[in-house]
Amino acid sequence: EAGVAQSPRYKIIEKRQSVAFWCNPISGHATLYWYQQILGQGPKLLIQFQNNGVVDDSQLPKDRFSAERLKGVDSTLKIQPAKLEDSAVYLCASSLGRAYNEQFFGPGTRLTVL
Amino acid sequence: AQTVTQSQPEMSVQEAETVTLSCTYDTSESDYYLFWYKQPPSRQMILVIRQEAYKQQNATENRFSVNFQKAAKSFSLKISDSQLGDAAMYFCAYSTGANSKLTFGKGITLSVRP
Repeated sequence: EAGVAQSPRYKIIEKRQSVAFWCNPISGHATLYWYQQILGQGPKLLIQFQNNGVVDDSQLPKDRFSAERLKGVDSTLKIQPAKLEDSAVYLCASSLGRAYNEQFFGPGTRLTVL
Repeated sequence: AQTVTQSQPEMSVQEAETVTLSCTYDTSESDYYLFWYKQPPSRQMILVIRQEAYKQQNATENRFSVNFQKAAKSFSLKISDSQLGDAAMYFCAYSTGANSKLTFGKGITLSVRP
């Protein structure tokens, strides 16, 4: 079974530039999550989708971050414009959606903002 | 708001020995789940073990077991017969019955001495 795919794996940009990350979840997983992991900290949820609807985006900085999940499969997370403090690893995860279900994580995208 | 606290930033264990990683959490919910996830260097995060709050029996998965103290809101992970491959960052995480999003602790870096 294929795992969660993410691209790119690494990205370096200047502040105020834009960047987009892509995630392809495990087939059949209705729930998709984007987490931000700053160095030395645990992942923090940015946004959670159930199929193509948003379940929780309470911690998403909506003035600069946006995300979509078209057709309830792939998802894209965008930052525009980027700030220095956005430097982090962006993790995508998917699951069957119940609280006890295991979340399967992708390899992450390491973003460096200069 | 739910919080997860991992107060030990680093631990070290001799190969074949036993080590215990600590975690405490705070919640007013009665229906919740607790998890330990492992994040090896430059590799994807994977689930180690999970515990349903309504179950009194501590979860066990091969060499991994938990000590779940519900009244004390404590959830520690015991790794027996430590192996070199156990070296990683370990995150304690929590989810409620109502929402499957994970709230993570800061993590603990475990090193295994040969």
